[in-house]
Amino acid sequence: GQQVMQIPQYQHVQEGEDFTTYCNSSTTLSNIQWYKQRPGGHPVFLIQLVKSGEVKKQKRLTFQFGEAKKNSSLHITATQTTDVGTYFCADPTGTASKLTFGTGTRLQVTL
Amino acid sequence: NAGVMQNPRHLVRRRGQEARLRCSPMKGHSHVYWYRQLPEEGLKFMVYLQKENIIDESGMPKERFSAEFPKEGPSILRIQQVVRGDSAAYFCASSLSPSYNEQFFGPGTRLTVL
Repeated sequence: GQQVMQIPQYQHVQEGEDFTTYCNSSTTLSNIQWYKQRPGGHPVFLIQLVKSGEVKKQKRLTFQFGEAKKNSSLHITATQTTDVGTYFCADPTGTASKLTFGTGTRLQVTL
Repeated sequence: NAGVMQNPRHLVRRRGQEARLRCSPMKGHSHVYWYRQLPEEGLKFMVYLQKENIIDESGMPKERFSAEFPKEGPSILRIQQVVRGDSAAYFCASSLSPSYNEQFFGPGTRLTVL
């Protein structure tokens, strides 16, 4: 079956440093979504990418979709403590759009 | 604008008991998804329902688990004869349309089986 892997599993940065998480799928994706889950919280939708090579920005967050539509990345510039949480990519599969989540990257930010 | 509501937020059951988890989707949303998150793991799809219909239950364990979304009232995820391995966070999500729209997640029900 389809596998969606993310690296790294965990990253600890100091506030102000940059952070990147990478998402790789074993199959070609129709589109990709990104979610953030705070500790003890629930996933919150961040963005959806649809087009090959697409790049979208949300303030300090930059999302990219690979040219082959098999990988994606999320880059955070100048992290803040509010960025703490686990970031998941997710593939909305088929007509039902059930989400196949990546393995997640847990981000810890310290002062 | 109430978001997705789930209750209870925390549920403790002894082995062999039944657990009933409830989910009320966002207003106007008729598509409901259930996901399970085991401790320190990612989220796994369980079941997708529309009003009165189960559309995709490919992620549901074959035994002891069932789900419904009646015409009136919340969606229910039911786990019979719970075992310790059922301890997890169960999230419900709803969407306006299954056509690649974002899913809005509820706060989850944390199930602990003693």
